[in-house]
Amino acid sequence: EAGVAQSPRYKIIEKRQSVAFWCNPISGHATLYWYQQILGQGPKLLIQFQNNGVVDDSQLPKDRFSAERLKGVDSTLKIQPAKLEDSAVYLCASSLGTLSGNTIYFGEGSWLTVV
Amino acid sequence: GQQLNQSPQSMFIQEGEDVSMNCTSSSIFNTWLWYKQDPGEGPVLLIALYKAGELTSNGRLTAQFGITRKDSFLNISASIPSDVGIYFCAGQPTGSNRKLIWGLGTSLAVNP
Repeated sequence: EAGVAQSPRYKIIEKRQSVAFWCNPISGHATLYWYQQILGQGPKLLIQFQNNGVVDDSQLPKDRFSAERLKGVDSTLKIQPAKLEDSAVYLCASSLGTLSGNTIYFGEGSWLTVV
Repeated sequence: GQQLNQSPQSMFIQEGEDVSMNCTSSSIFNTWLWYKQDPGEGPVLLIALYKAGELTSNGRLTAQFGITRKDSFLNISASIPSDVGIYFCAGQPTGSNRKLIWGLGTSLAVNP
């Protein structure tokens, strides 16, 4: 079974530029998550989708971050304009989204450096 | 946001030794998950626990869901160099709409 796919793996941009990350979840997984992981910390949930609807975006900095999952499958996360403190790994994850299938599986991450 | 108390923060052990780490919470959880993260990679699920008292093994790894539902531990037996990495616990509080709460990680180093 294919895992969660993310691209690009690595991105270096200057502050105030924009960047977009793409994620394709495990086939059949209704729930998709975007996490931000700063070096030395655990993952922090940015946004959670159930199919194409947003379940939780309480920790998403909406002035600069946006995410969409238009067809309920793959998703994009955009940062515009980027700040130095946005340097982190952006992890996409997915789960079945059922009460008994809520184990979350992660992609390899997209590593962002803002200079 | 809320975080789990994960300990120890780091460990440096000799190859062949057993390892134990744990996570505690002030609230009741209905799911405990243990992940390992290698440098440059995303977290990989090791063990998932769904019932209080549940004891589950995955090769040399064993994890338990505490009876009080407020803690969990992970044991690694006979450690090997490839066990090096950061181990995260994550839990799902009751009524949390599936939002996971994460520990800060235990960094494990194994001396061959």
